[in-house]
Amino acid sequence: AAGVIQSPRHLIKEKRETATLKCYPIPRHDTVYWYQQGPGQDPQFLISFYEKMQSDKGSIPDRFSAQQFSDYHSELNMSSLELGDSALYFCASSVRPWRESDTQYFGPGTRLTVL
Amino acid sequence: AQKITQTQPGMFVQEKEAVTLDCTYDTSDQSYGLFWYKQPSSGEMIFLIYQGSYDEQNATEGRYSLNFQKARKSANLVISASQLGDSAMYFCAMSTGRGAQKLVFGQGTRLTINP
Repeated sequence: AAGVIQSPRHLIKEKRETATLKCYPIPRHDTVYWYQQGPGQDPQFLISFYEKMQSDKGSIPDRFSAQQFSDYHSELNMSSLELGDSALYFCASSVRPWRESDTQYFGPGTRLTVL
Repeated sequence: AQKITQTQPGMFVQEKEAVTLDCTYDTSDQSYGLFWYKQPSSGEMIFLIYQGSYDEQNATEGRYSLNFQKARKSANLVISASQLGDSAMYFCAMSTGRGAQKLVFGQGTRLTINP
């Protein structure tokens, strides 16, 4: 079965640089979520999109922005990178976001290292 | 605010034994979902099992079962006949919010299966 695709899988950037993370949801999934997982921590919700509109926003820094495109893929743009942005970034997708039973399926993650 | 608590930072179990991973939650919502995810050392997040707040029966998925006690606000994961491949970090999570329902995660439990 098709899964969530994230690219790149690994990314190394210098401080103050910009990074773009991409997410391709499971086919026919119209909802995308972004999570950030710091070393030894649990994933923290950043932002979500449903039908190309922002649905919810968590603890996402103002330096970060995201959008969902007409083909439902999503991009997370991160500017003025800081050392503390080093983390594993997950994208997840789902198909019935308004229901508590909606299961989010996660991609493999993008490991971002800021030097 | 919703909160998930996993009080076992680490668990060590012999192969073929059953293991219970604890999860308690706090929410004022009447309707919510509870999920368990597995994160192997490779980093991906794998969905294991779901329990709805109105489900009267405990969820089961193969060797995984969820011991749901609503009055105690607990949703423990039971893994029967553990295998070496079960060694991983396990996260309990709750769906919350309006619209696209984000997940709130617990701190995780690192399970190690000994041969």
